[in-house]
Amino acid sequence: NAGVTQTPKFQVLKTGQSMTLQCAQDMNHEYMSWYRQDPGMGLRLIHYSVGAGITDQGEVPNGYNVSRSTTEDFPLRLLSAAPSQTSVYFCASSYGKGSGELFFGEGSRLTVL
Amino acid sequence: AQKITQTQPGMFVQEKEAVTLDCTYDTSDPSYGLFWYKQPSSGEMIFLIYQGSYDQQNATEGRYSLNFQKARKSANLVISASQLGDSAMYFCAMREVAGGTSYGKLTFGQGTILTVHP
Repeated sequence: NAGVTQTPKFQVLKTGQSMTLQCAQDMNHEYMSWYRQDPGMGLRLIHYSVGAGITDQGEVPNGYNVSRSTTEDFPLRLLSAAPSQTSVYFCASSYGKGSGELFFGEGSRLTVL
Repeated sequence: AQKITQTQPGMFVQEKEAVTLDCTYDTSDPSYGLFWYKQPSSGEMIFLIYQGSYDQQNATEGRYSLNFQKARKSANLVISASQLGDSAMYFCAMREVAGGTSYGKLTFGQGTILTVHP
């Protein structure tokens, strides 16, 4: 049972480059979200989705784009990477009922030089 | 204003002892959920325990219990009989229900690093 799968696990970019972090879940969860983790700041919500075709901004959306064409996939795009986007990124999914516990991917460590 | 506050950047505990990790929260929403996650040095996020705002009893999951004091807006995690494998970063998080869709949207605290000494 794969759960939430993120790729790549590690990436180094130069300022101005673009890239996409991939996220896929096989639990048929409606809700998916992207968080970034920075030292001393916990996890902060970047974007989230309540279902295929529906996305919305979180707390720190600037510099990131998302789309949700299928229930399974929720890629995060950095259009022009900046050093401030150096972080660990987590994709998560959840059921839309009960506690709403998040199921996390293993994280992607991104360094922007 | 911080919605979730974890005031203990680091905590130390002796193996087999109990430890309490503090978490206070701020919300005007009468309906909300509180979570604790563990992040070991390997980096993955592991769900530990959940407490709903209307739950009458404190949540328990094995050696983990959540000391929920609604009037004080605190949701402390208690780990009993600490083990070396409990050494990790611990995050408190909240999901507010008001305002429509809330699933997938958690607000996290800054985290507390727990070190268990043998």
